[in-house]
Amino acid sequence: EPEVTQTPSHQVTQMGQEVILRCVPISNHLYFYWYRQILGQKVEFLVSFYNNEISEKSEIFDDQFSVERPDGSNFTLKIRSTKLEDSAMYFCASSSASGNTIYFGEGSWLTVV
Amino acid sequence: QQPVQSPQAVILREGEDAVINCSSSKALYSVHWYRQKHGEAPVFLMILLKGGEQKGHDKISASFNEKKQQSSLYLTASQLSYSGTYFCGTEDSGNTPLVFGKGTRLSVIA
Repeated sequence: EPEVTQTPSHQVTQMGQEVILRCVPISNHLYFYWYRQILGQKVEFLVSFYNNEISEKSEIFDDQFSVERPDGSNFTLKIRSTKLEDSAMYFCASSSASGNTIYFGEGSWLTVV
Repeated sequence: QQPVQSPQAVILREGEDAVINCSSSKALYSVHWYRQKHGEAPVFLMILLKGGEQKGHDKISASFNEKKQQSSLYLTASQLSYSGTYFCGTEDSGNTPLVFGKGTRLSVIA
């Protein structure tokens, strides 16, 4: 069964460093998402991406964050100048169409120290 | 706008039933239900589109009352494997992102 894959599975970074989280969505999907989940809390929407541009973003997704689809398969989340409170599990997700099932990757656990 | 889930947590014995509710203050286009085990990604259970339909998935089913802007997830004859946190996600329209509730932590004990 096709799946969303994410790398790295776990990254530890120093405060102030830049981090890039990578995702390979399911191949025929057109909508891509990043969500974040702080330990023990709910899954929070960060950003959605369609047709090579951001379609929606939450208030969490400020200038510190950016997304890119550098080629036909990868979808990346860049976090600049990381803060302690950025420590969380970051989930990439994709769907074939708006309103369809959204499939989540296994997540990238980011620890900022 | 974030949907509201209730209850926050529930403990069941194997074989018991549970209902988890999800409500919104806005008209909904769809409701998605996911289950998440500790340390794992959310796993899709089912999606309900506006139209008041009910869906089933083994002993887990859900309903969607479009007029009341709420959905309920029904777990019958619960099994140990049902333990986890259940999230509902809602879309206001076909073009808005999925927004999750705070989750309902379900624990099934022997």
